[in-house]
Amino acid sequence: DGGITQSPKYLFRKEGQNVTLSCEQNLNHDAMYWYRQDPGQGLRLIYYSQIVNDFQKGDIAEGYSVSREKKESFPLTVTSAQKNPTAFYLCASSIDGSATPNYGYTFGSGTRLTVV
Amino acid sequence: AQKVTQAQTEISVVEKEDVTLDCVYETRDTTYYLFWYKQPPSGELVFLIRRNSFDEQNEISGRYSWNFQKSTSSFNFTITASQVVDSAVYFCALSEPFSGTYKYIFGTGTRLKVLA
Repeated sequence: DGGITQSPKYLFRKEGQNVTLSCEQNLNHDAMYWYRQDPGQGLRLIYYSQIVNDFQKGDIAEGYSVSREKKESFPLTVTSAQKNPTAFYLCASSIDGSATPNYGYTFGSGTRLTVV
Repeated sequence: AQKVTQAQTEISVVEKEDVTLDCVYETRDTTYYLFWYKQPPSGELVFLIRRNSFDEQNEISGRYSWNFQKSTSSFNFTITASQVVDSAVYFCALSEPFSGTYKYIFGTGTRLKVLA
């Protein structure tokens, strides 16, 4: 079945450490996105990528980095510069990254990151 | 600025009751898209519906129905004869053009609890 796989589901990190969240899709979608979800808040866009080897900052990119070396993969690194990294992280993809959302996103099941 | 308001933080109903989830949005765009997503306990967001700003026709899909009213900037979601499996967090979202692609502006979500 096609979909988005995020791993791990739960992740614990010590303060000062970088950590990478995995996101893989087999939907042949061009565009991929990372969102952050905090309790009682809507999702906020961290980074997005419309095509391979290209990505752009979203609304809250500080303290995060991404890469898009393969169409299927869009890993997110939470660096030590991110002051409040404890959150639920959702990866999503769409068929294309055009300005018209003809299709909704497909979301992964998320990674819950906790800083200890 | 674009904004989506879901004033109901949490709603509890007894199984078989009807329930309406409210969504009010703000935008200056004349062309826009509205979405509803369901987030079950497993975490992923599940696409429910997309509606563009030119289509004010209400839609019904099984027990789900949506009422889009541009005059009041609302896009409300009704579940008829609710079931325990409907328990989830529901997000309303507005698409916004963003650097050649689009992003979602999410509401803060409404947690629906359906009690047996």
